[in-house]
Order: sequence, then structure tokens, then C-alpha cells
Amino acid sequence: SQQGEEDPQALSIQEGENATMNCSYKTSINNLQWYRQNSGRGLVHLILIRSNEREKHSGRLRVTLDTSKKSSSLLITASRAADTASYFCATVTNAGGTSYGKLTFGQGTILTVHP
Amino acid sequence: GAGVSQSPSNKVTEKGKDVELRCDPISGHTALYWYRQSLGQGLEFLIYFQGNSAPDKSGLPSDRFSAERTGGSVSTLTIQRTQQEDSAVYLCASSLAWRGMGTQYFGPGTRLTVL
Repeated sequence: SQQGEEDPQALSIQEGENATMNCSYKTSINNLQWYRQNSGRGLVHLILIRSNEREKHSGRLRVTLDTSKKSSSLLITASRAADTASYFCATVTNAGGTSYGKLTFGQGTILTVHP
Repeated sequence: GAGVSQSPSNKVTEKGKDVELRCDPISGHTALYWYRQSLGQGLEFLIYFQGNSAPDKSGLPSDRFSAERTGGSVSTLTIQRTQQEDSAVYLCASSLAWRGMGTQYFGPGTRLTVL
């Protein structure tokens, strides 16, 4: 089942613009991760933010986490055509010792960056 | 270093046949996961292995699905009597952190088509 819901489902922007994607989830989490997928194949890990963190940066990526609202956002600054891909948020639930770190994915945002 | 590898990259089979999908995790990673991605269901967790502990099979959709991990390394996902709804991309991931509470590294996936 999909815990996360992401919006928008699709985003189309011009190179150089910023792209913001949002993710909401339902249960208490240990951490939230963002992944990128090109052409429907392997997932590439982008960034992990733990439940006690509020913001994290990695290069042109900025992730925020609001556990009170059960939501996260991914900002890609100064986008490039090569950023065109599907982006997924995934949560690791905080179900004691039974969650085993399995990821529950959102439905994803398809980002298209036009040159 | 080498990442997660999966074989075959593509598999076309006839309904009712058995298939085996292979995953080679990153050396030293104790946690291994199988997920599948299909148009209708998105990305779903299937099964998790951690060291010598009993696997978490809670995501397997039916008893036609089984998986094993030999010697704490290579894993094989077996689907018996395949059905058309089994068509999907099957993704394997491995993680170093205890109970997988960390970054998961994904393989390129196996695209299974059941005719």
C-alpha cells in the first residue's frame, strides 16, 4: 500500500527554475527518504532526513520535514534538463523492531525540465 | 565499488511458468529487500532479509512468491505459476545499517513480462 501521497503528480518547468515537490504520509516515521528514477528502472537515493531533523541540504537539493503535519518537501534549485525524472518519497515507519526499515513509497512526481 | 546487481534485466515468460530472479547485494550489506513496481500498484515492499534472522515476508502477494538468501549474500526471488498480474519491474535493494534504518541502494531491476 502507498503511505505517501505526493503532489504535484507532474511538474513541467524551464531550465534554471526551481522545482518543489511535496509528500505527505500517515504514520509515525523513523526517517523519510527521497529517490529519483529514470526511465522506470533503478532508484537512486538522493537524501535521507531523520524524524528529529527539520531540514537537510545536499548540493542543489533541500529537504524539509514537518512531523507535526506529516509532510516533507523536496526543492531542487537551478534545475537542469538532466534532472528530468520521477521523484519518490519513501518513509520508514517507527513500528518498534518490526518495521525493519522497509520503505513505503509515495506515488511519485514526474518532473520534466525543458532546456 | 560495485553496486547492487540483478539478473536477468528482462524476462519474458508464458503464463503458468516459474521464474527466478537474482540479486547480488553490495558486499558487506546485511539487509536485503525486494520490491516490485507496477503501473497499478506503484512501488511495493515484498520481502526483507537481515543476517541470519527469519525474513519478513509480509509483503509477498501470494504463496506463489518465495525468496531465499544464501550465505547472507545472493538472493533469489521465485515466482511459481506466473500470472499476467505478476508483470512488473522487480527491484532489489541492500543496506548496511542495522535493521535497515539507513540508505537503501537499489539495483537496476528485472522487468518481468508474463504473456
